[in-house]
Amino acid sequence: KAGVTQTPRYLIKTRGQQVTLSCSPISGHRSVSWYQQTPGQGLQFLFEYFSETQRNKGNFPGRFSGRQFSNSRSEMNVSTLELGDSALYLCASSFRAVQETQYFGPGTRLLVL
Amino acid sequence: QKEVEQDPGPLSVPEGAIVSLNCTYSNSAFQYFMWYRQYSRKGPELLMYTYSSGNKEDGRFTAQVDKSSKYISLFIRDSQPSDSATYLCAMTYTQGGSEKLVFGKGTKLTVNP
Repeated sequence: KAGVTQTPRYLIKTRGQQVTLSCSPISGHRSVSWYQQTPGQGLQFLFEYFSETQRNKGNFPGRFSGRQFSNSRSEMNVSTLELGDSALYLCASSFRAVQETQYFGPGTRLLVL
Repeated sequence: QKEVEQDPGPLSVPEGAIVSLNCTYSNSAFQYFMWYRQYSRKGPELLMYTYSSGNKEDGRFTAQVDKSSKYISLFIRDSQPSDSATYLCAMTYTQGGSEKLVFGKGTKLTVNP
């Protein structure tokens, strides 16, 4: 079974730009969660989508948004990028629920200049 | 006070040593407790998952949960250089009908041959 894939793997943007990251979950998994990982804050939950609906949301500003498609693939968008948005963005998929075994992708490393 | 506290280390041990990794938490509503391992340039992978106080063993790994003290531990016996990674604790609770997942910041472990 193919694992979680994320594209692109690396990205460099400038302040004020916007970015869209993509995640393809494991086949059959309907829950997709997004996380931001930085050395200072660690791994922080952004949001979770299940069957095309946002089911959970972390404490991030509205500049961070996402969506999920009918094939469970998910995208995350960050608008008006700030320097502090530089991080590793991880996507994880599971069959149904957050507390079930989540399988993480390799992440997208975003650098904002 | 952060909901989940984890000593960031770094922790360096010789091969064959017993490793103890710990997390404390403040929210008594946490129900499920997990340990993830993250190798460099990879996403986290689930190692252990438990929901009750006590010990759970899986090969060289033992997860311990003490809900009365709000304390969880991961023990690694006969540590190997391949165990060198960052270990993250994570825990979940339900609030307002939705699940919340909180990670510790991770402890970086190096096992020296």
